[in-house]
Amino acid sequence: GQQLNQSPQSMFIQEGEDVSMNCTSSSIFNTWLWYKQDPGEGPVLLIALYKAGELTSNGRLTAQFGITRKDSFLNISASIPSDVGIYFCAGQLGYSSASKIIFGSGTRLSIRP
Amino acid sequence: NAGVTQTPKFRVLKTGQSMTLLCAQDMNHEYMYWYRQDPGMGLRLIHYSVGEGTTAKGEVPDGYNVSRLKKQNFLLGLESAAPSQTSVYFCASSSTYNEQFFGPGTRLTVL
Repeated sequence: GQQLNQSPQSMFIQEGEDVSMNCTSSSIFNTWLWYKQDPGEGPVLLIALYKAGELTSNGRLTAQFGITRKDSFLNISASIPSDVGIYFCAGQLGYSSASKIIFGSGTRLSIRP
Repeated sequence: NAGVTQTPKFRVLKTGQSMTLLCAQDMNHEYMYWYRQDPGMGLRLIHYSVGEGTTAKGEVPDGYNVSRLKKQNFLLGLESAAPSQTSVYFCASSSTYNEQFFGPGTRLTVL
């Protein structure tokens, strides 16, 4: 079945540093999604990508839909303490809510004080 | 709007007991989903519904049943709980082409 390989599994960074994480798959997806999950909460959508090559920003976050449609990356610039959490990528086979979504295993971001 | 709410927030069951998790959404969304989240793994879809009165199996449906009798509610049932069902359960809802909105989760422990 489809699988997403998300890396790194965890990151420890200094406040102010830039962060980069990515997801790869052997399958082609039509939509890439990036979610953030805070402790004790459900995931919240950060960025949705619908077109190969698309580069989309949301504040300090930037995500790209890979040209091959098999990968995506998320960058966070100038990290701050509230960026701490687990980031999930997700690939969706179609464009509607009825399309299956596959989630990566997550990247746990921690910030050194 | 409360968004997506889940009841209960925590539950401890003994093996073989049954229980029902309730998900409610006030956004008039057609689609609703139940996921489980285990350590080191992403969310895995258990069952989903594309409208009132309809349900379908997801990736890991065994041991669970669901019902969508009302558009705003999606129930997840465990008929005979097993330790392997210890997990955090998330409900989500969405309209046809929009993002999924997740509830806060239910932490279930089966002893």
